[in-house]
Amino acid sequence: EAQVTQNPRYLITVTGKKLTVTCSQNMNHEYMSWYRQDPGLGLRQIYYSMNVEVTDKGDVPEGYKVSRKEKRNFPLILESPSPNQTSLYFCASSLLGRLASTEAFFGQGTRLTVV
Amino acid sequence: GENVEQHPSTLSVQEGDSAVIKCTYSDSASNYFPWYKQELGKRPQLIIDIRSNVGEKKDQRIAVTLNKTAKHFSLHITETQPEDSAVYFCAASITGGSYIPTFGRGTSLIVHP
Repeated sequence: EAQVTQNPRYLITVTGKKLTVTCSQNMNHEYMSWYRQDPGLGLRQIYYSMNVEVTDKGDVPEGYKVSRKEKRNFPLILESPSPNQTSLYFCASSLLGRLASTEAFFGQGTRLTVV
Repeated sequence: GENVEQHPSTLSVQEGDSAVIKCTYSDSASNYFPWYKQELGKRPQLIIDIRSNVGEKKDQRIAVTLNKTAKHFSLHITETQPEDSAVYFCAASITGGSYIPTFGRGTSLIVHP
C-alpha cells in the first residue's frame, strides 16, 4: 500500500531535549516536505527536499533541521525544542515532473507538545 | 514566491445547500491547483485538482473552476451533507522543475443537519 509513515504519532517532551520525528514513504517520490499546522494559520512549510542530499528552507525553518540521506526517509530534527514548537506536524511527499501527478501524500501527523 | 489567499476561513451551511470556497494566487507561472480535505483528527487528502489548461473540472458533487486571467480558483460543493464537514485547503504550484506547493490557510466547513 502506498503510504507516508510518520513516527511517533504523539510526543510530549521537555524544553531543550533533542528529538527526531521520522518520515518514510514507499512511493519513490522525489519531493518530500514538512509542515506544521496551527489553528488559524493553516499548513506552513518548514523544510522541503527535491531529492537525496537536496534540502531547502520553507517559510518557518527556525529551530528545525532535516536530512535526506535516502530517498525514502526525511526526518525532522528539533535540536532544542521550545514551547512555541508545540504543534501538529505533517510530512508529505509527491512526484516531480511536468507530466507527473503532483498530488501530495500526507503522513498521519505527529502531535508534539513541548513543556 | 507564491502567495495563496483563501476565503472564507469559516463557512457554515445547512445540509443540502451549496458551499463555495475561493482562493487567489499571485504567481502567474503556477499551473497546478489541488484541493485537500482534512477531516477532524486526520491527514489532508486530495479531493480534486485542476491544471491551468482546463477551466472547470467536476467530480460528482464537487467542482473546481479556474480563472487564469484573474488568478483565482474556487471549490464548489453542491447538495452538502454532514460528512462534508471538514477543513478544506487550496494550493498552487508549478509542475516540473521547482515544484513547491503553497497552501491557503484553510476553510472550516460546517454542514448542519
